[in-house]
Amino acid sequence: GQQLNQSPQSMFIQEGEDVSMNCTSSSIFNTWLWYKQDPGEGPVLLIALYKAGELTSNGRLTAQFGITRKDSFLNISASIPSDVGIYFCAGLSGGSNYKLTFGKGTLLTVNP
Amino acid sequence: NAGVTQTPKFQVLKTGQSMTLQCAQDMNHNSMYWYRQDPGMGLRLIYYSASEGTTDKGEVPNGYNVSRLNKREFSLRLESAAPSQTSVYFCASSRDGYGYTFGSGTRLTVV
Repeated sequence: GQQLNQSPQSMFIQEGEDVSMNCTSSSIFNTWLWYKQDPGEGPVLLIALYKAGELTSNGRLTAQFGITRKDSFLNISASIPSDVGIYFCAGLSGGSNYKLTFGKGTLLTVNP
Repeated sequence: NAGVTQTPKFQVLKTGQSMTLQCAQDMNHNSMYWYRQDPGMGLRLIYYSASEGTTDKGEVPNGYNVSRLNKREFSLRLESAAPSQTSVYFCASSRDGYGYTFGSGTRLTVV
């Protein structure tokens, strides 16, 4: 089946630093999504990308849909303690019957 | 605005016991999904229902059954629980795949 390789697996940063994480795949996706999961909660959608090359921002978060449609990245600028959590990328391909394929997540820890 | 509601939030089962995890959404979404989350494994799809009246297997369906009771409700049943089914279970719904909404999870321990 389709797989997403998400990296890094974990990050430990100081408050105020910028963060970058990415997802790659051998398969093409039509939609890329980025989710955040707070401890003890379900994932929440952060950003959705629908076109190759698209660059979208949501506050301090910026995500891009790769030109090849096989990758995406998420940047967080000026991190704050509440950015702590697990970040998941997810991809939706044509004919997938609306099933998302998820990466394994990036665990972000922010040191105040 | 409840979104996706899962019950129970926590459950401890003995090996061999059965139980049903309940999920309901109030967003009139067509598609519903059950995932399990294990450390280092990400989210793995157990079963999904693209529309009312249909269900299909996902990546890890063994040991589970599902019922799409109506458009709102999608339940997951463990007929004979095993310790390998200890996990956090998430239900999600979507309007045709765009932007899943997740419930807050059921933490299941099988002893």
